Amino acid sequence: QKEVEQDPGPLSVPEGAIVSLNCTYSNSAFQYFMWYRQYSRKGPELLMYTYSSGNKEDGRFTAQVDKSSKYISLFIRDSQPSDSATYLCAMSFYNYGQNFVFGPGTRLSVLP
Amino acid sequence: NAGVTQTPKFRVLKTGQSMTLLCAQDMNHEYMYWYRQDPGMGLRLIHYSVGEGTTAKGEVPDGYNVSRLKKQNFLLGLESAAPSQTSVYFCASSPPASGRRYNEQFFGPGTRLTVL
Repeated sequence: QKEVEQDPGPLSVPEGAIVSLNCTYSNSAFQYFMWYRQYSRKGPELLMYTYSSGNKEDGRFTAQVDKSSKYISLFIRDSQPSDSATYLCAMSFYNYGQNFVFGPGTRLSVLP
Repeated sequence: NAGVTQTPKFRVLKTGQSMTLLCAQDMNHEYMYWYRQDPGMGLRLIHYSVGEGTTAKGEVPDGYNVSRLKKQNFLLGLESAAPSQTSVYFCASSPPASGRRYNEQFFGPGTRLTVL
């Protein structure tokens, strides 16, 4: 079993839809949870991060962590074609980059 | 500010050839990283550095060497390339860890390497 699992997609939705992206993990010691967005042929860029459990909102994006279920989610409201990208989840015991574990990514297409 | 830059952008090697990938950052970051990204595998850490003159192994270091002679540069070397090293390579940098605050990693645009 991989340490972090993520549905690879591709996921196609119409513009304006609510998108739910999810990751499950096996190590209960993870405390830092991140979502990165990666456009085609570009490097990943940080979208959101959360420490421990709970929700965090930033504009149209909401990150949710459920440590009891070892499950994290990223919700995108009013999705736009510019949201079309691959979304990578990442998690860590500490806030040090050398400890991050990345999911394989979910490819999202938002159709106009 | 250019952020994190990588050269070259693309490269095709034959098995057994060697090459060096260069990463440069102008954000005065202490930490730098080399990752490889393969389909279905996510980003995997090859080597990292927590400061000038220091390097350490990551998850998949075999077949690679690194050097950090200057704070702003982090070099990744392949001494004898193998087809299994065909991948997209990303460099990243970040400031040092501080308390519980997550220190964002800034990624370069990647180098696409094919080993025939």
